[in-house]
Amino acid sequence: QPVLTQPPSASASLGASVTLTCTLSSGFSDYRVDWYQQRPGKGPRFVMRGGTGGIVGSRGDGIPDRFSVLGSGLNRYLTIENIQEEDESDYHCGAHHGSGNIFIVVFGGGTKLTVL
Amino acid sequence: QITLKESGPTLVKPTQTLTLTCTFSGFSLSTSGVGVGWIRQPPGKALEWLALIFWDDDKRYSPSLKSRLTISKDTSESQVVLIMTNVDPVDTATYYCAHRNILDHDAFDFWGPGTVVTVSS
Repeated sequence: QPVLTQPPSASASLGASVTLTCTLSSGFSDYRVDWYQQRPGKGPRFVMRGGTGGIVGSRGDGIPDRFSVLGSGLNRYLTIENIQEEDESDYHCGAHHGSGNIFIVVFGGGTKLTVL
Repeated sequence: QITLKESGPTLVKPTQTLTLTCTFSGFSLSTSGVGVGWIRQPPGKALEWLALIFWDDDKRYSPSLKSRLTISKDTSESQVVLIMTNVDPVDTATYYCAHRNILDHDAFDFWGPGTVVTVSS
């Protein structure tokens, strides 16, 4: 099953852009990842799924188009443009691995985004 | 509008059995493609997937916890129940249930607010 690695923290200034990274373990370069936003004290919220070609499907409910995804090799990126105060959150990536009788969902450790 | 809400005990003693209920609205667990999963998050730590049940009663479990978990659904009551046996203080976490539709986002696209469970004697 894949292992997802995220840097523990990131920061960006109000109005700027930031790119968060989720790295898949070796051998899983064709996997898509799901991005989730978790505001302080709240449950996670689905942002979107991303692969090497960008977004897969549609954004989650109420997610503005300031959020976008891309991918390259083992890396999956979530970019937030024109950062707002409400974007300060933990961002988690997740993926599911299914093969035959196997179905597993894994998550990365999460990145805490601070808006300066 | 899809909503989910978790309920269960806030405090459980070690070795006891934990029963959590997810009550949902805005969708039916008898609709093809739909599933409800359980995910937990220990304080200050990462999300951990526990189990998932689909509309056709297919059940999937985290391999590391499979022996201790049972997931079931009550379609008429719009509920999903997760049972965890032999709890330990390391099971202290916020437990979330979430909606999944393999014919749509195929991700956990709607989550409940979570319920905090503490395992302590």
